[in-house]
Amino acid sequence: NAGVTQTPKFRVLKTGQSMTLLCAQDMNHEYMYWYRQDPGMGLRLIHYSVGEGTTAKGEVPDGYNVSRLKKQNFLLGLESAAPSQTSVYFCASSLGGGGYGYTFGSGTRLTVV
Amino acid sequence: AQSVAQPEDQVNVAEGNPLTVKCTYSVSGNPYLFWYVQYPNRGLQFLLKYITGDNLVKGSYGFEAEFNKSQTSFHLKKPSALVSDSALYFCAVRDDTGGFKTIFGAGTRLFVKA
Repeated sequence: NAGVTQTPKFRVLKTGQSMTLLCAQDMNHEYMYWYRQDPGMGLRLIHYSVGEGTTAKGEVPDGYNVSRLKKQNFLLGLESAAPSQTSVYFCASSLGGGGYGYTFGSGTRLTVV
Repeated sequence: AQSVAQPEDQVNVAEGNPLTVKCTYSVSGNPYLFWYVQYPNRGLQFLLKYITGDNLVKGSYGFEAEFNKSQTSFHLKKPSALVSDSALYFCAVRDDTGGFKTIFGAGTRLFVKA
């Protein structure tokens, strides 16, 4: 039972490069989320999806794009990386909204130099 | 707008003593409240939640939390702390007005000293 799997776990990018972070869940969850974690700021929502083929903006969406072509996968893209995007990125999923808790992946540590 | 405040960046407690990690919230409707724990280099793990009903909620690893509607608080507690409880704890809130987003607090680091 893998839960939520994120790849890669670590990555170093040069400013201006692009990359895609992959998130896969095997729990048949409808909702998926991308958060970034920065020291002293907790988790901030980047984008989220409430079902296959749907995406929506969170608190800090600028500089990121997402896609949810399959229910089990949620991809986060950085088109032109900036040092301000250095962070730890977490993917999460939930069965629904309301009172359902989240299952988190183990995170991707991204450094943009 | 939803918001969550964890007023303490760090809580220090001796092993065997009771611990409390504080959380206050603000939502438009009725709250769904959560606590998560993060160990070093790991993702967040769900501890417990309050949806409705009893104000005292019990969760994993002996943790419990008390919902206080008048004080808009949801403090995390444990009667006897363990060194292994040392971690980063996050309070989170979602309202019942149909929103899909959960807002997380900034986190409180718990140190339990042997």
